[in-house]
Amino acid sequence: QVQLVESGGGVVQPGGSLRLSCAASGFIFSTYGMHWVRQAPGKGLEWVAFIRYDGSNKYYADSVKGRFTISRDNSKNTLYLQMNSLRAEDTAVYYCAKASGVLIGGDYWGQGTLVTVSS
Amino acid sequence: DVVMTQSPLSLPVTLGQPASISCRSSQSLVHSDGNTYLNWFQQRPGQSPRRLIYKVSNRDSGVPDRFSGSGSGTDFTLKISRVEAEDVGVYYCMQGTHWPPLAFGPGTKVDIK
Repeated sequence: QVQLVESGGGVVQPGGSLRLSCAASGFIFSTYGMHWVRQAPGKGLEWVAFIRYDGSNKYYADSVKGRFTISRDNSKNTLYLQMNSLRAEDTAVYYCAKASGVLIGGDYWGQGTLVTVSS
Repeated sequence: DVVMTQSPLSLPVTLGQPASISCRSSQSLVHSDGNTYLNWFQQRPGQSPRRLIYKVSNRDSGVPDRFSGSGSGTDFTLKISRVEAEDVGVYYCMQGTHWPPLAFGPGTKVDIK
């Protein structure tokens, strides 16, 4: 069955960096695009970034453009989110999601990893 | 960017009774390819989101048939024919037609009266 397991969250100071990982199994990772979506504490869902199946194209929300980088290693079935210049407003649970089609969101989601940006 | 709104934001329901959530977009969600990329997600308390419906009315695998989606253009509805206890949670609509970005609605919290 499809499994997505995020890791790498934690507490970081404003201006700091963090790299999230999402280990995928149960499907042919190299043939699907992948999303990152986040949820601030007590708030709704916010799409963060998307990467095509082969890494050829990447898309970002304006709120993270220039600070976050999405990438993937298809040989390791792993998705990444490099987060730099972190701000308090980036505090959230970050979910990775498998995209059965980019315009219809994720059909499978991980359990999420919490990122807290605080001094 | 397209703005998604939902109503109501809170919906107390009686077990066994129907429930309905409205979602509106600031622009038509009809894509140039003829499809309408309006999708619905459920997030139960303490859980990750789960997609229920894609492209207005297509139920995902394993989604009970008491859930149905309808609508067109800018107005969409998610209906639960008979609410069960496991349906408690927050429901989000999401548009993919005018992407990037994917845009979620603010969410509708469904709980039991």
